[in-house]
Amino acid sequence: AQSVSQHNHHVILSEAASLELGCNYSYGGTVNLFWYVQYPGQHLQLLLKYFSGDPLVKGIKGFEAEFIKSKFSFNLRKPSVQWSDTAEYFCAASLGSSYKLIFGSGTRLLVRP
Amino acid sequence: GAGVSQSPSNKVTEKGKDVELRCDPISGHTALYWYRQSLGQGLEFLIYFQGNSAPDKSGLPSDRFSAERTGGSVSTLTIQRTQQEDSAVYLCASSLDLARSSYEQYFGPGTRLTVT
Repeated sequence: AQSVSQHNHHVILSEAASLELGCNYSYGGTVNLFWYVQYPGQHLQLLLKYFSGDPLVKGIKGFEAEFIKSKFSFNLRKPSVQWSDTAEYFCAASLGSSYKLIFGSGTRLLVRP
Repeated sequence: GAGVSQSPSNKVTEKGKDVELRCDPISGHTALYWYRQSLGQGLEFLIYFQGNSAPDKSGLPSDRFSAERTGGSVSTLTIQRTQQEDSAVYLCASSLDLARSSYEQYFGPGTRLTVT
């Protein structure tokens, strides 16, 4: 079945540490990929998206993600995290011409000051 | 501008009762989606509306779930004869015309439904 997998369910980092959250999808065709973030008490917000073109995508708040087609991956990165990055992060994909988002299970990030 | 709004923010209901959840999409957004976020299942797609086209109901978990969108704007998700497994946060999202290649879905704050 088509799915999106996030490998880390909980991540704890100290401020200024580098972040990489894994995301893999299982689909052999065209995909559109997204990372959403949910800060405590807030609703889902889009961090970044990939539709086509440059596989290295830059988003808001210093986040970036790289689409590696051969690995079916779209990992999220940030060189130096801040306490305010504490949130839950969701990878999502829409497959082919579909508009439905398939979400990963989410990763809870805690950044210690 | 105003984002996607949902009401109520919280709803507690007794098992077997019907509930209605409301979504007001961003003005001008023609596509509207419902998702469900629950502990056991994560975020799941429920239903999708695009303009005047027939909705895609493929994600609805049972025939107790239905949704409508009146006038191409406000949407109501109805759950009949609620069960405890319906407890979840119900999220609404909207987006611009899907013909645009870089559409993105904007999410509302959700309605937390608790079935006792």
